[in-house]
Amino acid sequence: GAVVSQHPSWVICKSGTSVKIECRSLDFQATTMFWYRQFPKQSLMLMATSNEGSKATYEQGVEKDKFLINHASLTLSTLTVTSAHPEDSSFYICSARAGGLAETQYFGPGTRLLVL
Amino acid sequence: GQNIDQPTEMTATEGAIVQINCTYQTSGFNGLFWYQQHAGEAPTFLSYNVLDGLEEKGRFSSFLSRSKGYSYLLLKELQMKDSASYLCAVMDSNYQLIWGAGTKLIIKP
Repeated sequence: GAVVSQHPSWVICKSGTSVKIECRSLDFQATTMFWYRQFPKQSLMLMATSNEGSKATYEQGVEKDKFLINHASLTLSTLTVTSAHPEDSSFYICSARAGGLAETQYFGPGTRLLVL
Repeated sequence: GQNIDQPTEMTATEGAIVQINCTYQTSGFNGLFWYQQHAGEAPTFLSYNVLDGLEEKGRFSSFLSRSKGYSYLLLKELQMKDSASYLCAVMDSNYQLIWGAGTKLIIKP
C-alpha cells in the first residue's frame, strides 16, 4: 500500500516552455500533497503544500506564479513549471499524506527536469 | 531556529552494524521519521518514532529520546544495497516536516 506515482520521470525542454508534472496516489486518498525540489547533493527543499480543493501554501522564496500547483482531486496533484529556465533544472519530488497531520508522507519516484 | 543535525558521511563494512545519529531542536515535536534515499531516487519511508524507545523492523531499528532531542537509526548485517543517504526528519508543532541534510552511508566489502 501507499504507492505514489509521478509522471513523467524525465523531461527535457527548451527554455521558456512550460512543463507539467503529475503526482498520483494509487491506492489511497491523499488529503495533502507536498512538492519538493532537490538539487544534486543537497537536501530536500519543500516548495509547497497542497490540500485537495484549496489553494496551495508556498514556502518562502518559491514563486507561486512560476510554480503552479493544482490539487483537483484526492488522488491527483499537478505542478506546472511555467516559462522554465535552466536554473529550474532539478529533481522534483512529490509526496502524499493519507490522513491526519501526523501521518507518514510517501514519496513519488521523482521527476528529473532538464531545461536547455 | 529549527535544526536537525546528522553526520554528513559514514563508512561501514558489509556484514557489520552501523548507527546513524540525529539530534534535533525544533518548535514542538510530533514525531521523527527516517527515510532512505538511493542516489538519483526519491526517499522511501523507513520508520516513525513518536514515543521514547526502540522500534525494531527487521535489520533496521530506530531509537528516540525526546528529552535529549536525539534519535538513531541502527542498521544490522549491512548489505551493499544499504549504501544510500539516510534522512532524519522531525515533525514540528505545526505538523511541518523539518529535514536533516542526510547521512551518506558507504558500505565497503
